[in-house]
Amino acid sequence: DSGVTQTPKHLITATGQRVTLRCSPRSGDLSVYWYQQSLDQGLQFLIQYYNGEERAKGNILERFSAQQFPDLHSELNLSSLELGDSALYFCASSARGLLKGEKLFFGSGTQLSVL
Amino acid sequence: DAKTTQPPSMDCAEGRAANLPCNHSTISGNEYVYWYRQIHSQGPQYIIHGLKNNETNEMASLIITEDRKSSTLILPHATLRDTAVYYCIVSARSGNTPLVFGKGTRLSVIA
Repeated sequence: DSGVTQTPKHLITATGQRVTLRCSPRSGDLSVYWYQQSLDQGLQFLIQYYNGEERAKGNILERFSAQQFPDLHSELNLSSLELGDSALYFCASSARGLLKGEKLFFGSGTQLSVL
Repeated sequence: DAKTTQPPSMDCAEGRAANLPCNHSTISGNEYVYWYRQIHSQGPQYIIHGLKNNETNEMASLIITEDRKSSTLILPHATLRDTAVYYCIVSARSGNTPLVFGKGTRLSVIA
């Protein structure tokens, strides 16, 4: 158990809908990262937050947004869903943002299926 | 883009050492070498990381060449549960640089 909690584990929805994925980082970790893993694209970095502020952005679509709340949990919002958004979405956390060789701890992921 | 090159797949007999190579010829002085693995569709799991010196922990050993342009992850006694995709990643030690995962090496441990 990595200590990173993601909910829900599975999500089935229809095209055009909006969903919210939730992540609770390990106790004490300030930085949260979101990754998307699809069969053809591998593990893709989406976005990073550190103590409530956005720190780095990857290949995140404009239809996707995220935020980190004062209690440090994070939510990834996916809207106007398309079939191609079907993927595993992972959340990860680290203590301060991978300073000086920090480890990244991943949750068990949310499997999103868009039908 | 990932800054590392790994073979797409490898096989290893159960009980033998698994040696997974990684080329990172463009690594800079402030970058660590990390290894993670992903078993089936689980979240990636940290294995080990290093800067210059060889490192060992309860899971594996990491051998980094003197010029730091390549490294080898060693699983000393591979078991069937070590079957996974292994990712070699280089990342700056200054922080706030997300880990970029490449395609990794799919290791199959065979009984």
